[in-house]
Amino acid sequence: SQTIHQWPATLVQPVGSPLSLECTVEGTSNPNLYWYRQAAGRGLQLLFYSVGIGQISSEVPQNLSASRPQDRQFILSSKKLLLSDSGFYLCAWSRSGLADNEQFFGPGTRLTVL
Amino acid sequence: KQEVTQIPAALSVPEGENLVLNCSFTDSAIYNLQWFRQDPGKGLTSLLLIQSSQREQTSGRLNASLDKSSGRSTLYIAASQPGDSATYLCAVKGTALIFGKGTTLSVSS
Repeated sequence: SQTIHQWPATLVQPVGSPLSLECTVEGTSNPNLYWYRQAAGRGLQLLFYSVGIGQISSEVPQNLSASRPQDRQFILSSKKLLLSDSGFYLCAWSRSGLADNEQFFGPGTRLTVL
Repeated sequence: KQEVTQIPAALSVPEGENLVLNCSFTDSAIYNLQWFRQDPGKGLTSLLLIQSSQREQTSGRLNASLDKSSGRSTLYIAASQPGDSATYLCAVKGTALIFGKGTTLSVSS
């Protein structure tokens, strides 16, 4: 069976500090990978998605970047955090090939920027 | 631009009641619709996936319907239990998965 991991679970960072959140998927190959953010009072917003190693698509311009150094690893980064980067970050995966494939979500990382 | 709306935003019911959560979307050109459950501070659990060619899906006490032409979906929960208390999210898949803001359900014993 497939599992998706995210770490850390919780993070408190000062404004201007760097960020690195990691997501890994087990039990599948060549998954589509996604980063979402859930901010207070707002719905989930897609930030980045990847269909393969080194292939990243950005959905919204922002202070964040994503990388996929390995097939089942997806990393969300920032060089300098802003207060507005606070939120709940969720990684998700789906099987590649079909646009109608179901997405499965990880446990999330709660980021607080002070 | 696809927009997803969920009504009501919050719902409180006594245990045992049957209930319906509503989801509407503005663009009917979708591949599928997913219903998720989110417990406080947790990730999303996929409950049901309805492909665009389907009308409904059932899993246990849950039944989800899809009327693509009218841009509507409902999630029916039968015989609600306190353990059903959570936020329920609807999401439609076009070029991306677009989420509603959710309905927060509270079932009292």
